[in-house]
Amino acid sequence: EVQLVESGGVLVQPGGSLRLSCAASGFTFSTFWMSWVRQAPGKGLEWVANIKQDGSEKWYVDSVKGRFTISRDNAKNSLYLQMNSLRAEDTAVYYCARRDYDFSSGILYYYMDVWGKGTTVTVSS
Amino acid sequence: DIQLTQSPSFLSASVGDRVTITCRASQGIRSYLAWYQQKPGKAPKLLIYAASTLQSGVPSRFRGSGSGTEFTLTISSLQPEDFATYYCQHLKSYPYSFGQGTKLEIK
Repeated sequence: EVQLVESGGVLVQPGGSLRLSCAASGFTFSTFWMSWVRQAPGKGLEWVANIKQDGSEKWYVDSVKGRFTISRDNAKNSLYLQMNSLRAEDTAVYYCARRDYDFSSGILYYYMDVWGKGTTVTVSS
Repeated sequence: DIQLTQSPSFLSASVGDRVTITCRASQGIRSYLAWYQQKPGKAPKLLIYAASTLQSGVPSRFRGSGSGTEFTLTISSLQPEDFATYYCQHLKSYPYSFGQGTKLEIK
């Protein structure tokens, strides 16, 4: 079964740090770009970061640049999100997701087809 | 950055109804658009990608259309399990972004 399982979400004080993990199983993790997406309480989805298969390319939403770092360990089939200088507005459920693609039309279309159940990060004093 | 605006934000409908949700992009994104369904306390589920391609296993009552800046998700003959929140997302360039969501409620 294709599966993503996030962990590491806790209550942390403003300014603190946290590392989220996402364990992948049921597919060849090293061949996929991976993503983090978050959802603040009662709010919509926000894409946070993407990482290439070998970790050589990383992209972030502006609001987390310089504070969050996405990384992966293909030997452990794991994705990570190091979160520093946390703010109240980082409070959210954090999902990891697999980015797949379809090239059947000759055009490369991406989509996020496998999602974990999420892990909750609360930033509060 | 590309902004996505969904309308309506809330939609009330009955089982058996046909509903349409619109997603407008602030600039052209060709067909680099996906639609997701999310139920309370659950992860999003991919419904459609490339604006109109149905993800494997998704019922055919879901249909996506559009290109450029205007897109629609149509659900023909609503089923009880379809009441959820729906999001569009562009994947044309970074940063990827989502629409604000459309909550579909039972009338």
